[in-house]
Amino acid sequence: NAGVTQTPKFQVLKTGQSMTLQCAQDMNHNSMYWYRQDPGMGLRLIYYSASEGTTDKGEVPNGYNVSRLNKREFSLRLESAAPSQTSVYFCASSELDTGLEGAFFGQGTRLTVV
Amino acid sequence: KQEVTQIPAALSVPEGENLVLNCSFTDSAIYNLQWFRQDPGKGLTSLLLIQSSQREQTSGRLNASLDKSSGRSTLYIAASQPGDSATYLCAVAHNYGQNFVFGPGTRLSVLP
Repeated sequence: NAGVTQTPKFQVLKTGQSMTLQCAQDMNHNSMYWYRQDPGMGLRLIYYSASEGTTDKGEVPNGYNVSRLNKREFSLRLESAAPSQTSVYFCASSELDTGLEGAFFGQGTRLTVV
Repeated sequence: KQEVTQIPAALSVPEGENLVLNCSFTDSAIYNLQWFRQDPGKGLTSLLLIQSSQREQTSGRLNASLDKSSGRSTLYIAASQPGDSATYLCAVAHNYGQNFVFGPGTRLSVLP
């Protein structure tokens, strides 16, 4: 049982480049999330998807786009990377509408924008 | 807007001590509260999940309590070990908006 899988694990981008972070879960969860974690700032929500076909902005959505490709996959795209987007990105999934399960996290993507 | 705080920010204890980590949240309209452990450079590992209707949950040497009305949760670690050294995060899932709000974490060091 893989849980939540993120790719890539590490990435270095030049300012202005684009990339897509991939996330897939195999727990049949409806809800998926993208967080970023920065020193001193904790985990902040970028975007979430409460169900297949829906996405909503979180606390820090600027500079990002997301796609809920199907129930399993939720991708995060940086169209024009900036040094301020250097961070560790975590994908998570849950069955939040029942409140019965907590959140399951991937291992993270360490992104450096130079 | 839900805000989650954790006290202390950092804690260093000798091996074998019992310790308590604190989490506070401002809005009691929550689905559940979850405690996570994060090792340096790693992802988040779920430790305990407390439903809004529950008062506590236990797993091994860990016990988490929830007082929803006062907006507080505690994580009790018994007989601490060096392997418990990590950052501990609490997160609340609230039933307006579909996401989890995290506290800043408590960095724990257990000295041999």
